[in-house]
Amino acid sequence: QKEVEQDPGPLSVPEGAIVSLNCTYSNSAFQYFMWYRQYSRKGPELLMYTYSSGNKEDGRFTAQVDKSSKYISLFIRDSQPSDSATYLCAMRVGGGADGLTFGKGTHLIIQP
Amino acid sequence: NAGVTQTPKFQVLKTGQSMTLQCAQDMNHNSMYWYRQDPGMGLRLIYYSASEGTTDKGEVPNGYNVSRLNKREFSLRLESAAPSQTSVYFCASSEKAAQYNEQFFGPGTRLTVL
Repeated sequence: QKEVEQDPGPLSVPEGAIVSLNCTYSNSAFQYFMWYRQYSRKGPELLMYTYSSGNKEDGRFTAQVDKSSKYISLFIRDSQPSDSATYLCAMRVGGGADGLTFGKGTHLIIQP
Repeated sequence: NAGVTQTPKFQVLKTGQSMTLQCAQDMNHNSMYWYRQDPGMGLRLIYYSASEGTTDKGEVPNGYNVSRLNKREFSLRLESAAPSQTSVYFCASSEKAAQYNEQFFGPGTRLTVL
């Protein structure tokens, strides 16, 4: 079993819908959780980050972490065609310079 | 402020050829990383350098070598390319002291090994 599982999609929703993206993980030592957005043929860019369990909101985006279930989510409200991209979850055990463990990414399509 | 730059953008190699992928960052970051991205596999860490003068293996280091030339530059070398190394390679950098260690990615190098 891969450490981080993420449904690759594609996930296609109409403009204005609420989008829910999810990842599950197996390593209970992960403490730092991130969501990256990647447009086609571009590098990933950091969208949201959270530490341990809880919620974090930034504009139309909300990140949730449930460490007891080893489950993280990203919600996008009032989705726009410009949100169409691949969303990658990433996580790390501790602070410092270690690399990130990524999910495979979910390809999201927002239909105008 | 260009962020993280990578050269070349595209490369086609024949099996057994060697090449070096270059990465540079202008954000004065201490840490730098090399990842590869394959369809259905996500991003996987090849090597990283926590600070100038140090390098460590990641998840998939076999077939690669790295050099942290100075604080700005971190290169990835394929000594004898194989078709299994066909991938998109991303370099990233971060400030080790930052709590979330946000990693900033370059635009990637698309490598095809025939």
